[in-house]
Amino acid sequence: GDSVTQMEGPVTLSEEAFLTINCTYTATGYPSLFWYVQYPGEGLQLLLKATKADDKGSNKGFEATYRKETTSFHLEKGSVQVSDSAVYFCALTGGSGNTGKLIFGQGTTLQVKP
Amino acid sequence: SAVISQKPSRDICQRGTSLTIQCQVDSQVTMMFWYRQQPGQSLTLIATANQGSEATYESGFVIDKFPISRPNLTFSTLTVSNLSPEDSSIYLCSVRGTGAANEKLFFGSGTQLSVL
Repeated sequence: GDSVTQMEGPVTLSEEAFLTINCTYTATGYPSLFWYVQYPGEGLQLLLKATKADDKGSNKGFEATYRKETTSFHLEKGSVQVSDSAVYFCALTGGSGNTGKLIFGQGTTLQVKP
Repeated sequence: SAVISQKPSRDICQRGTSLTIQCQVDSQVTMMFWYRQQPGQSLTLIATANQGSEATYESGFVIDKFPISRPNLTFSTLTVSNLSPEDSSIYLCSVRGTGAANEKLFFGSGTQLSVL
């Protein structure tokens, strides 16, 4: 079945460091890909998305490119801030046999230190 | 966008009891989803609730343990029955957006359940 695999955390970075969180997926058909973020004490919220191959989603300085050839959707940010500390989830929906529900990766905790 | 009110936000329950979680949406939606997030783990879909029909449960989840009601297009409840410590998790409801946002899921703030 469809699945998402993320790099294990926690990831600890200093402020202004470069961030990459790896995400790869397995799906039949043509899924849409998402990054969701969960800040401490808050609910899950969409960070960015891409709906087809080579699309780049971006928001709040974060970017991710839908790479069909490598089945990847890695999250990047050029300069992280303390306020980016959160749990990040990669997810997919819309693949063949998927009724529109989201399949989540296991989440990656990011901690940014001043 | 959709605004989701979920309650209770947290509860502590005794083994063997049940907890009912309510989810209210500020707009009419066809599908509502119930997820579980166990400590340190990702979100796992429990079931999909459509108005006017029985919920569709994912593998490993059964109606007797997680009965769901969906009386109208803006409201749903999830009951976690016969609680055990293994049920300690965060439970979240979510809905799909509409129109241009129809692939986006909106989430409630979650219900943190602790079972003693």
